[in-house]
Amino acid sequence: GAGVSQSPSNKVTEKGKDVELRCDPISGHTALYWYRQRLGQGLEFLIYFQGNSAPDKSGLPSDRFSAERTGESVSTLTIQRTQQEDSAVYLCASSLASPGVAGELFFGEGSRLTVL
Amino acid sequence: AQKVTQAQTEISVVEKEDVTLDCVYETRDTTYYLFWYKQPPSGELVFLIRRNSFDEQNEISGRYSWNFQKSTSSFNFTITASQVVDSAVYFCALSEALCLNTGTASKLTFGTGTRLQVTL
Repeated sequence: GAGVSQSPSNKVTEKGKDVELRCDPISGHTALYWYRQRLGQGLEFLIYFQGNSAPDKSGLPSDRFSAERTGESVSTLTIQRTQQEDSAVYLCASSLASPGVAGELFFGEGSRLTVL
Repeated sequence: AQKVTQAQTEISVVEKEDVTLDCVYETRDTTYYLFWYKQPPSGELVFLIRRNSFDEQNEISGRYSWNFQKSTSSFNFTITASQVVDSAVYFCALSEALCLNTGTASKLTFGTGTRLQVTL
């Protein structure tokens, strides 16, 4: 598709289970970002990938969170031993690597995670 | 540390009214970028504008205008003659200087958003 695709769109899980969220960025976008949006809150930065550079993981809230990206394509965000506080919408965004459009992120519709 | 404050949680206006959304930021960087994003009810955030810290010229795009004032660390957004379709959550964001090697902004710090409701 033409936009950023995320799956699943909705995920309900039990506390303690692991979850995987997937993001397909726009083709040609070398930068990929994960953000978390709790209900009624702003966006919280989680992690940033750019090409083959080491990712910026400074926003990951705990070691239960990890993310991978294969080359300049799909990314997976994994949350292990989920807690109720992990309930949020997880947003993926991608962008071109060009100073002229830096910061112009294209967002997916998000994956809504509910931890019971 | 970078911080973006959007003090207005929710604003309600009647169609055709003008409305200004406030954004105040904090950063130690001398070079930085400011953004506005719109999140309509459908949920997908949409980029509206980018402004770098060296460019304090105000910008107008149709009914939208932005007022960047470095002296007060503010980057306010005004919608003129608001319409129902403007109803959305609007986020202001700040990034550090570009990573010149990659031409990308490594991360954006977002405010908590302002929900704008435009009614008939």
